[in-house]
Amino acid sequence: DTGVSQDPRHKITKRGQNVTFRCDPISEHNRLYWYRQTLGQGPEFLTYFQNEAQLEKSRLLSDRFSAERPKGSFSTLEIQRTEQGDSAMYLCASGGSGANVLTFGAGSRLTVL
Amino acid sequence: QQQVKQSPQSLIVQKGGISIINCAYENTAFDYFPWYQQFPGKGPALLIAIRPDVSEKKEGRFTISFNKSAKQFSLHIMDSQPGDSATYFCAASGGRSEKLVFGKGTKLTVNP
Repeated sequence: DTGVSQDPRHKITKRGQNVTFRCDPISEHNRLYWYRQTLGQGPEFLTYFQNEAQLEKSRLLSDRFSAERPKGSFSTLEIQRTEQGDSAMYLCASGGSGANVLTFGAGSRLTVL
Repeated sequence: QQQVKQSPQSLIVQKGGISIINCAYENTAFDYFPWYQQFPGKGPALLIAIRPDVSEKKEGRFTISFNKSAKQFSLHIMDSQPGDSATYFCAASGGRSEKLVFGKGTKLTVNP
């Protein structure tokens, strides 16, 4: 499978717990994005990496959210002290250099009880 | 502030009909305008995209029409099929930011 992989696909957690999502992009892609999508809405940009450098962050990304891409390959998105408002689908996308095309993964759905 | 406005929110067409979804943008720095298709439980998948140097792009049954002066672009699906039933998102990017800004989506239902 050469697509974008996300894990886990679904996470149910209690309010106040920490959760971490992993994204494995297409191997030759140096650009990696995280988006959040709530029901009935379009994806909202969270953050962007070029290789291992985090170059852009949305104001939506509060201090409880942190993302890393330590070796310029896979990425993790951690949410600390989850709140019910964090319930959403977290989408990862990757793209090659010099091209605008983004390939999305199937997403990780977070449910905070 | 929503930078890409999409309409309608939902659309029902008969098999064989034409589906039309419209988007308007505000940021004149945008220079890339893709449309994504999303099925339930899946991530969005790129359908077709256009740059502002052309007014129309066609790929099979899908056509993007682009009006730079009006800052509007639209997706036309010819001969709509039940398999086209999905949610469609317009998006835009350009300027100093690498991010894609998405519209709120249009849920298309094609009745057999």
